[in-house]
Amino acid sequence: KAGVTQTPRYLIKTRGQQVTLSCSPISGHRSVSWYQQTPGQGLQFLFEYFSETQRNKGNFPGRFSGRQFSNSRSEMNVSTLELGDSALYLCASSPGLNSGNTIYFGEGSWLTVV
Amino acid sequence: DAKTTQPNSMESNEEEPVHLPCNHSTISGTDYIHWYRQLPSQGPEYVIHGLTSNVNNRMASLAIAEDRKSSTLILHRATLRDAAVYYCILRDIIQGAQKLVFGQGTRLTINP
Repeated sequence: KAGVTQTPRYLIKTRGQQVTLSCSPISGHRSVSWYQQTPGQGLQFLFEYFSETQRNKGNFPGRFSGRQFSNSRSEMNVSTLELGDSALYLCASSPGLNSGNTIYFGEGSWLTVV
Repeated sequence: DAKTTQPNSMESNEEEPVHLPCNHSTISGTDYIHWYRQLPSQGPEYVIHGLTSNVNNRMASLAIAEDRKSSTLILHRATLRDAAVYYCILRDIIQGAQKLVFGQGTRLTINP
């Protein structure tokens, strides 16, 4: 069974640009969530999607947005990039909305803003 | 709001048991306790999770205090491959939305 797949794995962007990251969950998983990981702040929750609906959003500015498609694949977008957006962006999937479900993380997308 | 507290770092020797503690004194009755570990340049990897009872799997054991305000991840015989950052996470579903509370993680060093 394929794991959570994130693309691209590494990317470099310039301040002011925008970026789109993609996440393909494990087959059959309908819940997808996104996280930002930085050395200073640790793991921080960005958003969660279930059945194409955003169920929850973390404390991030409106420049961070996302969506989920009917096949459960998800994308997140960051507009007007800032240097502080440099981070590892992690996607995770789980079968559904049960707190006892295991969450599976992808390898992440490393974003560097210069 | 619930939070988890973990030691910043721990060190152990190869083939010895390791006990990684996590405090979650404000845990709610429906929060599950999940443990993940993260190797450099990789996403977090699932280790184990539980609600009230102690849990065992092929990777580790999870001991949950009777009042659920703390838990301990036990690696029975540490190997060099167990060197990683270990995260204690509380997970709950409230009104159809996932709530995750992350600790800062414990960096585990294994000495040969």
